[in-house]
Amino acid sequence: GQQVMQIPQYQHVQEGEDFTTYCNSSTTLSNIQWYKQRPGGHPVFLIQLVKSGEVKKQKRLTFQFGEAKKNSSLHITATQTTDVGTYFCAGPLAGSYQLTFGKGTKLSVIP
Amino acid sequence: DTGVSQDPRHKITKRGQNVTFRCDPISEHNRLYWYRQTLGQGPEFLTYFQNEAQLEKSRLLSDRFSAERPKGSFSTLEIQRTEQGDSAMYLCASSLVGGRNTQYFGPGTRLTVL
Repeated sequence: GQQVMQIPQYQHVQEGEDFTTYCNSSTTLSNIQWYKQRPGGHPVFLIQLVKSGEVKKQKRLTFQFGEAKKNSSLHITATQTTDVGTYFCAGPLAGSYQLTFGKGTKLSVIP
Repeated sequence: DTGVSQDPRHKITKRGQNVTFRCDPISEHNRLYWYRQTLGQGPEFLTYFQNEAQLEKSRLLSDRFSAERPKGSFSTLEIQRTEQGDSAMYLCASSLVGGRNTQYFGPGTRLTVL
């Protein structure tokens, strides 16, 4: 079945350092979605990428979708304590609306 | 803010009891999804509805799990004869038909089975 993998599983950074999480799917995706889950919270939608090679920015966050539409990355520039949480990527199962989520990357920011 | 709401937020029950959770989606959203999330994992898809039709239920974890959306608005997820392994966060999400399947999640119901 479809698998979505994320690395690293955990990342500890000093405040002000950059952070990147990588997402890889076993199948080609029609789109990929990124979510952020704060400790004790629920997943909150960040962005959706649809086109091959697409790059989107949201302030300090940069999202990329690979040319083959099987991988994606999220890069945060100059992390802040408000960036703390777990970042998930998710892709739709072919022919369905259900999302397959990665295990997430848990980001800790040391002030 | 009329986001996705879930009730109750927390449920503690004894093994063998039945539990039911409710989800109210964003009002104009006609797709509704149920996921389960355990510690350290991403949400795991269970089932989804388009309006009142349940279009995918093969991922429900066992025949003890069932979901309904009788009028195409709110949905309920029932777990019969709960087991300790059912302890998890149960998340509901909704999306709009015709959109790009962007799913908006509710706050979840945390189930603890003693």
